Amino acid sequence: QKEVEQDPGPLSVPEGAIVSLNCTYSNSAFQYFMWYRQYSRKGPELLMYTYSSGNKEDGRFTAQVDKSSKYISLFIRDSQPSDSATYLCAISGTSYGKLTFGQGTILTVHP
Amino acid sequence: DARVTQTPRHKVTEMGQEVTMRCQPILGHNTVFWYRQTMMQGLELLAYFRNRAPLDDSGMPKDRFSAEMPDATLATLKIQPSEPRDSAVYFCASVVGYNQPQHFGDGTRLSIL
Repeated sequence: QKEVEQDPGPLSVPEGAIVSLNCTYSNSAFQYFMWYRQYSRKGPELLMYTYSSGNKEDGRFTAQVDKSSKYISLFIRDSQPSDSATYLCAISGTSYGKLTFGQGTILTVHP
Repeated sequence: DARVTQTPRHKVTEMGQEVTMRCQPILGHNTVFWYRQTMMQGLELLAYFRNRAPLDDSGMPKDRFSAEMPDATLATLKIQPSEPRDSAVYFCASVVGYNQPQHFGDGTRLSIL
């Protein structure tokens, strides 16, 4: 079993839809939770960075962490075609230690 | 905007050849990571350095891969000899201090024929 599981999709939604992306993890020592967005032929760029359980909102993006269930989510409201990318969850046990990534979910938002 | 710079962006070579990939971390970042990304395995950590000292290279095939950081502005990843299974995108990332996210370069796309 992988330490971090993420449904690779692909996920296709119409513009304006609410998108829900999810990851589960197995190691309860993980404390730092991130979502990265990766466009084609580019490196991952950080979207959201959270520590501990709860919600964090930034514009149209909301990250949710449930440490009791070992489950993290990213919600995208009012999705746009420019949101089309691969979304990677990443988890770490230390504040700047190594990251363990999910497989990535390919998202397409069509006009 | 400060960026992690990787060179070359693309590399095609024949199996058995030596490959060297370079990374310039963001100025002031003291921790540098090397990752490999493939369709099958996703993003995997190969090695990382803190203050130029190697901390963990357990993800790297030791017989053919080597990573170094000759100075604070340059990290290198070498493959010798290269094999077709090494074909992947190799990313470098850097970070400074605690509670800060890793910043990624745009990768080196490597094809071994």
